[in-house]
Amino acid sequence: DAKTTQPNSMESNEEEPVHLPCNHSTISGTDYIHWYRQLPSQGPEYVIHGLTSNVNNRMASLAIAEDRKSSTLILHRATLRDAAVYYCILRGPGGGADGLTFGKGTHLIIQP
Amino acid sequence: DTAVSQTPKYLVTQMGNDKSIKCEQNLGHDTMYWYKQDSKKFLKIMFSYNNKELIINETVPNRFSPKSPDKAHLNLHINSLELGDSAVYFCASSYYGTGGWNEQFFGPGTRLTVL
Repeated sequence: DAKTTQPNSMESNEEEPVHLPCNHSTISGTDYIHWYRQLPSQGPEYVIHGLTSNVNNRMASLAIAEDRKSSTLILHRATLRDAAVYYCILRGPGGGADGLTFGKGTHLIIQP
Repeated sequence: DTAVSQTPKYLVTQMGNDKSIKCEQNLGHDTMYWYKQDSKKFLKIMFSYNNKELIINETVPNRFSPKSPDKAHLNLHINSLELGDSAVYFCASSYYGTGGWNEQFFGPGTRLTVL
């Protein structure tokens, strides 16, 4: 899987939007962009994924650059419960039982 | 209902002992995984199973032996525990979907401490 680069940490205020960036300049045309998060003392949790078009779900939105070399996870209205480590992960078209390759992720701090 | 469950949640044991961690999923998935998260919080895949068959073994010492009695269960047995085995172990499951689209569901983790 291609490599991703994320800021080590970000801070935001409660009830404000949060934009978490991810660079993946070596992404291939068939790589999906996945986001997971890990709340304190819990297992990772799937957030969203996309291929080329922007995606929305009940948790977040994913904005994918036209050249696909970067993407942004958008939390529209952050709550204290959104404080977590967020991982941007590329998933290739290979085996369906491939493990996820976690990087260091972005530690999101939410201020009340 | 718990989707992916692990037992025990905490496991404290002496070096040299043998221990097992159990994982069960009720999502109807056909693929299960074990991940290890070390003290520096790095998460790394250890094994994956599809329909009870081993697919991935990421150069894990052979003291670790996963066993999948059926598609809903993947247990991890560890022989001759070492200090370096102390970590949080996460089980996960998913559908087997080639193409990179499938999402994985994780259990709550088992914190193993080897003294």
